Amino acid sequence: KAGVTQTPRYLIKTRGQQVTLSCSPISGHRSVSWYQQTPGQGLQFLFEYFSETQRNKGNFPGRFSGRQFSNSRSEMNVSTLELGDSALYLCASSLQGRAWEQYFGPGTRLTVT
Amino acid sequence: QKEVEQNSGPLSVPEGAIASLNCTYSDRGSQSFFWYRQYSGKSPELIMFIYSNGDKEDGRFTAQLNKASQYVSLLIRDSQPSDSATYLCAVMEGPGGYNKLIFGAGTRLAVHP
Repeated sequence: KAGVTQTPRYLIKTRGQQVTLSCSPISGHRSVSWYQQTPGQGLQFLFEYFSETQRNKGNFPGRFSGRQFSNSRSEMNVSTLELGDSALYLCASSLQGRAWEQYFGPGTRLTVT
Repeated sequence: QKEVEQNSGPLSVPEGAIASLNCTYSDRGSQSFFWYRQYSGKSPELIMFIYSNGDKEDGRFTAQLNKASQYVSLLIRDSQPSDSATYLCAVMEGPGGYNKLIFGAGTRLAVHP
């Protein structure tokens, strides 16, 4: 069974631009969570989607948004990029009822210049 | 602010020794606790989860949970150089947390031959 895939793997953007990252969960997994990882703040929860609905949200500004499609694929969008948004963005998927078993994708490394 | 605290290390142990990694958490409502391993440049992978007080063993790994003290630990027996990685403690937010994991900053483990 294929793992969680994320595209693109690397991205360089300029301050003020916006970016969209994509995540395809493991087949059959309907829950997708997004995390930001930075050296200073560690891994921080962004939001979680299940059946196209956002069920939980972390403490990030409204510039960070996401959505989930009917096939469970998810995208996250960051608008008006800031230098501090440079990070590794990870998504994780899990089966309904097995929240303890989250599988992480390889991540998208975003660099904002 | 719900927090998970870990000593950042590095924790250096000789090959064959027991490595002991510790974690404390602030939210008494937390029910589920996780240990992830993250190799440099890779995404986190789940190695253990625990939700009952006491010990849980899986091969060379033992997770220990003490809810009264709000303390979780991971023991790695017969440590190998391949165990060298950053170990992330994570706590699932209390009822309604919906897959929201709160991570500690991670402890870097170095196993030397």
